[in-house]
Amino acid sequence: DAKTTQPPSMDCAEGRAANLPCNHSTISGNEYVYWYRQIHSQGPQYIIHGLKNNETNEMASLIITEDRKSSTLILPHATLRDTAVYYCIVRVKDYGGSQGNLIFGKGTKLSVKP
Amino acid sequence: NAGVTQTPKFRVLKTGQSMTLLCAQDMNHEYMYWYRQDPGMGLRLIHYSVGEGTTAKGEVPDGYNVSRLKKQNFLLGLESAAPSQTSVYFCASRAGGSYEQYFGPGTRLTVT
Repeated sequence: DAKTTQPPSMDCAEGRAANLPCNHSTISGNEYVYWYRQIHSQGPQYIIHGLKNNETNEMASLIITEDRKSSTLILPHATLRDTAVYYCIVRVKDYGGSQGNLIFGKGTKLSVKP
Repeated sequence: NAGVTQTPKFRVLKTGQSMTLLCAQDMNHEYMYWYRQDPGMGLRLIHYSVGEGTTAKGEVPDGYNVSRLKKQNFLLGLESAAPSQTSVYFCASRAGGSYEQYFGPGTRLTVT
């Protein structure tokens, strides 16, 4: 699985957009980009995933560069409850017959401030 | 629909004691996982299961055993606890064909 690089920490003002970058320059063609977050003392929570097209759901948007070597998770209107560690994970899409586990790095600690 | 639940939430053990952590999911998921998380680090996979009656080793399996006798339950056992096993343990599950893993709330274990 491709390795990812994320800044260790970021701050964002409440109500503003939070843009969390992730570098995955060694990503291969069959690897997806996943984003999870972990609010303090809770289990990780799935946010979004994508292959090469931009994706949007009720929680966030995922922008993947054309060469797929980096991506950005966007929380359009950050709230205090979005304060968490955000993990960018690159993983081969596998449905069965393999582990399907996720490899978590240290992530980015996002602090949303009033 | 409770999702993924873990029992107990907290536990303190003395070195050499044994215990079992229980993970239960009510989503009929095929895949289940046990991770541990140490301070300032990401999650590391201990053991996993791709279906009822099957288990396999993950990245850090030493000192742990698991069983998946029922599809909805995944048990993690510590036969002889060591201080190095002080950690927060997370269970997760996912459906076959899904990208999304659902995590439990965690079990905070301290071994003295």
